[in-house]
Amino acid sequence: AQTVTQSQPEMSVQEAETVTLSCTYDTSESDYYLFWYKQPPSRQMILVIRQEAYKQQNATENRFSVNFQKAAKSFSLKISDSQLGDAAMYFCAYRSEMSGANSKLTFGKGITLSVRP
Amino acid sequence: NAGVTQTPKFQVLKTGQSMTLQCAQDMNHEYMSWYRQDPGMGLRLIHYSVGAGITDQGEVPNGYNVSRSTTEDFPLRLLSAAPSQTSVYFCASSYLGSNQPQHFGDGTRLSIL
Repeated sequence: AQTVTQSQPEMSVQEAETVTLSCTYDTSESDYYLFWYKQPPSRQMILVIRQEAYKQQNATENRFSVNFQKAAKSFSLKISDSQLGDAAMYFCAYRSEMSGANSKLTFGKGITLSVRP
Repeated sequence: NAGVTQTPKFQVLKTGQSMTLQCAQDMNHEYMSWYRQDPGMGLRLIHYSVGAGITDQGEVPNGYNVSRSTTEDFPLRLLSAAPSQTSVYFCASSYLGSNQPQHFGDGTRLSIL
């Protein structure tokens, strides 16, 4: 079974600075997808970014980018120019390609990010 | 489009009571799932469905039942509520395919006394 580990329960960043949230995963598969979700205090789950394992290029969405290291099984999220609205819990998630339609999303335990004004 | 709609948003139950959490989506998604979120545990999969009439167990299915009679609806039933089922419950849906991001409802905060 796949596991997703987010070892830092909390992080803090100064507004306008850059912060990196860590995520590692364990799998024996070669084809899979990785996701970062944001959960603000409103409790909504919002997709931030997605990475396909077969792509070497790191995904980028505006101020959000990932550092995907397939061999190291690492998938970190970098937030540039942090804003107060970035304060939230962030979840890393893994989804296998192998199971096809039955593929399940496995989440890490999450990291709480606070942004200092 | 409403997306994924969960009702109710909050509920308090007594131990032993039963109830159904409702989930509906209007995006014609084949895949629907239920998660529970507990502090320090992330989101854990309870049950999921890949289409009408098809359901399967996730990581933590005990004490919960689901059915999928239509593409749109995927209710979660608590048969006999226990304090250990106090949690925030999320319903999510997506098109089939591992690359498809899941769309989440706003969650139901459930307390069992």
